Amino acid sequence: QKEVEQNSGPLSVPEGAIASLNCTYSDRGSQSFFWYRQYSGKSPELIMFIYSNGDKEDGRFTAQLNKASQYVSLLIRDSQPSDSATYLCAVRDSSASKIIFGSGTRLSIRP
Amino acid sequence: DADVTQTPRNRITKTGKRIMLECSQTKGHDRMYWYRQDPGLGLRLIYYSFDVKDINKGEISDGYSVSRQAQAKFSLSLESAIPNQTALYFCATSDPSEGGGQPQHFGDGTRLSIL
Repeated sequence: QKEVEQNSGPLSVPEGAIASLNCTYSDRGSQSFFWYRQYSGKSPELIMFIYSNGDKEDGRFTAQLNKASQYVSLLIRDSQPSDSATYLCAVRDSSASKIIFGSGTRLSIRP
Repeated sequence: DADVTQTPRNRITKTGKRIMLECSQTKGHDRMYWYRQDPGLGLRLIYYSFDVKDINKGEISDGYSVSRQAQAKFSLSLESAIPNQTALYFCATSDPSEGGGQPQHFGDGTRLSIL
């Protein structure tokens, strides 16, 4: 069973600080990694995609990938109250046919 | 994502009833998916289809069936609904030629309650 693991949280971070979200995956052949943000009762929206080892930055968001450790993370700089949501880590499996989602980490930004 | 439309948005029904959830898309994508989401369990794949003649089971297909009527339409049926199928259901599409790792594009979801 291919798995994607996340800490369910809630993770509470003060406004303006850096929020760090982590994810591990079991399928060593996975090639593509995604972070989705989901507000309560809404559909997931893609915020970051990464496939190479290292860091990828987009505005306040940085995705980090370490394939040797099977670990992917998301950093949110200058956290805002609007960043309060559940963040889903997702991995395209080695067959490339499906994306497997983690259960999500609930992030709360406190003023 | 307004390009992926799910109907109905909310549905309350009774145990044993047959229910159909519909998904239509204007993105022109060949690949379509049905997921369910339960609190604390993330998104779990029910069925997926890569074209009109292709249907594949996901990790939790028992109790569900699907129909791919056209490239743009993918329906999910619960033949005899039971209370533990109460969940939030999402339809999604993807395009293998899309850059950025072929992400999933989600509809707004259907909240289904089985009494």
